[in-house]
Amino acid sequence: DAGVTQSPTHLIKTRGQQVTLRCSPKSGHDTVSWYQQALGQGPQFIFQYYEEEERQRGNFPDRFSGHQFPNYSSELNVNALLLGDSALYLCASSLGIEQYFGPGTRLTVT
Amino acid sequence: RKEVEQDPGPFNVPEGATVAFNCTYSNSASQSFFWYRQDCRKEPKLLMSVYSSGNEDGRFTAQLNRASQYISLLIRDSKLSDSATYLCVAHGSSNTGKLIFGQGTTLQVKP
Repeated sequence: DAGVTQSPTHLIKTRGQQVTLRCSPKSGHDTVSWYQQALGQGPQFIFQYYEEEERQRGNFPDRFSGHQFPNYSSELNVNALLLGDSALYLCASSLGIEQYFGPGTRLTVT
Repeated sequence: RKEVEQDPGPFNVPEGATVAFNCTYSNSASQSFFWYRQDCRKEPKLLMSVYSSGNEDGRFTAQLNRASQYISLLIRDSKLSDSATYLCVAHGSSNTGKLIFGQGTTLQVKP
């Protein structure tokens, strides 16, 4: 049974560019949540998708947007990248209360 | 005030020791709580879920005190492999919504 998968594992972008990160949930899970983790900090909630709709959103600017597809996979898009967007981006999938994380995408903005 | 607060440590303990981590949360509407373990540069892994007063799984015991808005994690007979960062987590007001993480507590178990 495959767990949560994310791609790519690492990414280097330049300020002002746009990036798309991808997530496939654990088999049977229908909800995907995205988190940003800066070095030395706990993950911060970006948003959650359920039934292809954004169900809940954290305190992140509109530059962060997402999408969920009919097969429950999801994308996170970040526009106009800033140096401060450098972080580990984690996707978590769930069917009920417990959330399970993928290995993350490490984004570096130069 | 942060929504979930933990002592970042580090906690340095010898093998075989018992160590306890404490955590407080500010949202009294939170119903579900978790402890996740995170190894360096890896993803958080769910260690324990806490829905009522407590939960025990082998060497690990989690306790919840709703009146004081306080959660703890006790690790008995520490192993070298327990060295990691332990994240205290609360659900927001909805049990299926966002997770709110503490900063994490670093544990280093030494031989």
